[in-house]
Amino acid sequence: DTAVSQTPKYLVTQMGNDKSIKCEQNLGHDTMYWYKQDSKKFLKIMFSYNNKELIINETVPNRFSPKSPDKAHLNLHINSLELGDSAVYFCASSQDAFYEQYFGPGTRLTVT
Amino acid sequence: AQRVTQPEKLLSVFKGAPVELKCNYSYSGSPELFWYVQYSRQRLQLLLRHISRESIKGFTADLNKGETSFHLKKPFAQEEDSAMYYCALDTGGFKTIFGAGTRLFVKA
Repeated sequence: DTAVSQTPKYLVTQMGNDKSIKCEQNLGHDTMYWYKQDSKKFLKIMFSYNNKELIINETVPNRFSPKSPDKAHLNLHINSLELGDSAVYFCASSQDAFYEQYFGPGTRLTVT
Repeated sequence: AQRVTQPEKLLSVFKGAPVELKCNYSYSGSPELFWYVQYSRQRLQLLLRHISRESIKGFTADLNKGETSFHLKKPFAQEEDSAMYYCALDTGGFKTIFGAGTRLFVKA
């Protein structure tokens, strides 16, 4: 049973396109996150949601729009993709703040 | 500002040698600190957290509030310990700050 899953695993697209990454967790957690890992492996939080409510938006361009249709899902839609958006995007979930986070396998986005 | 610093990008040790991965944090509140590990071709996972005071896979980490450090230690490194290690600070506001990571390479 996969706890946190993401689709797709790889995404190659051209500049200017719009794309979505989906995330689902089956752990019954209330909190979900999106992280961006750059080419130097630096992991930076983008968004966090608690009970479907946006809690943290960490100065991310508004081309990035997260959506949480229910507590088990947190999707990430990206408009007008740019070269600098190329990275690995990780979804994670946790029971609450201060709890262990469970990570998805990551989505490698390449913008050409 | 809240910050986590891992000064070493790469740490290379021989099998059986002691290993210490450094982590320093900057936070004015009461910190909740974690070490996460990412083995090759696996997802990021929790290794240990300071509040549990456990030893996981032979690793320990002690929170030193005076030095604002949470260094990860293991007395005898094994080849299977080779991985990327991240120190993380949870501020309690659903925001976790990760360090830049240290790649540990254990040589045979």
